[in-house]
Order: sequence, then structure tokens, then C-alpha cells
Amino acid sequence: EAQVTQNPRYLITVTGKKLTVTCSQNMNHEYMSWYRQDPGLGLRQIYYSMNVEVTDKGDVPEGYKVSRKEKRNFPLILESPSPNQTSLYFCASSFSGYEKLFFGSGTQLSVL
Amino acid sequence: AQSVTQPDIHITVSEGASLELRCNYSYGATPYLFWYVQSPGQGLQLLLKYFSGDTLVQGIKGFEAEFKRSQSSFNLRKPSVHWSDAAEYFCAVGIQGAQKLVFGQGTRLTINP
Repeated sequence: EAQVTQNPRYLITVTGKKLTVTCSQNMNHEYMSWYRQDPGLGLRQIYYSMNVEVTDKGDVPEGYKVSRKEKRNFPLILESPSPNQTSLYFCASSFSGYEKLFFGSGTQLSVL
Repeated sequence: AQSVTQPDIHITVSEGASLELRCNYSYGATPYLFWYVQSPGQGLQLLLKYFSGDTLVQGIKGFEAEFKRSQSSFNLRKPSVHWSDAAEYFCAVGIQGAQKLVFGQGTRLTINP
């Protein structure tokens, strides 16, 4: 089944404790992206990657890192999480750009 | 700056009634427009998109949307809603060259039996 898989589904952590949210797609997509969803703000892009050689910042990259060492995986890293990073995170992928994005089921992160 | 506005945070309609969700955008170039649906606990699914051509676009699940350049709008419609349509709906504009979608705030749809 074609899908974008995020793990974990739910995560509660404390301020400053490094964490990684994994994202993997099995559709051989070139493009991958991370969004965060906050009430009243819709979804905002954190980072995107056109392919394994190109990664760039989105609208809200502060406090986040990403890595694209292989085509299928695009982990989101929070090196020192803070409470303002409490949010619902979505990974998305496509063959090329934003024209038809496939989204994962989301990761609900709470930073205490 | 590019932006998308969905004026209605929450809409309630009766099952079988017609539906229209509003979306207005602000974008200097020719817009690429999208509607996504998010069911509870799920990721977003693409309903339909407009790039060019016919301004009335058909999508999945019986939805359609009409692009009106003069009103900077891209409203989503469905003639008769089903209980399974209860979800949150997001309008988005694609930013050319920046490889991103700018989303509206979302409209939560509740269906009364």
C-alpha cells in the first residue's frame, strides 16, 4: 500500500530533550516536506526537500533540523524542544513539488 | 504577501443539504489552488486542484470548486452532503518557485443527522 508513515503517533517530552520524528514513504517520491498544524493558523511549512541533494527552509524552520540521506526517509529533529513547539506535525511527499502531496497521519507532540 | 483566508471557522449543515465552503486568496501571480480534507485523526487528502483552464473543477467524493479571478475566490461546493463528509477542510495556494503550499486556517464541517 502506498503511504507516508510517521512515527511516533503521539509524543510527550520535556523541554530540552532531543527528539526525532521519523517519516518514510514507499512511493519513490523525490519531494518531501514537513508542516506543523496549529489551531487557527492552518498548516505552515517547516522544511522541504526537492531530492536527496536539495533541502531548504520553509516558513517556520527555527528550532528544527532535517536530514535527507536517502530518498525514502526525511526525519525531523528537534535538538532542544521548547513548549512553543507543541503542535501537530505532518510529513508529506510527492513526485515533484506541491502539485499532489500525500500526507502522513501526523505526530502530536507535547513539550512540557 | 501570499495568504489564504477561510472566513468560516465552523459550519454545520444537515445531511442531504448543499454545502459551500468559502476561500479567498491573495497572490500576485496566477494561482495554483487546492482543497484538502482532513478526517479526524488522519492526514490531509487532496480533494481537487486548479492550475489553469476550466474554472469549474471536479474532485473526488462529489466535490467541486469554482475559481473566480475577479473575486480572488476558490469556493468548494457539494450538492448533497453525507455524514461521512464531517471533517476539516483546508484551502491552499501553491507558491511558485518556493515549493510550498500556503494554507488557510481551515473550516470544520459538522453534519447534523
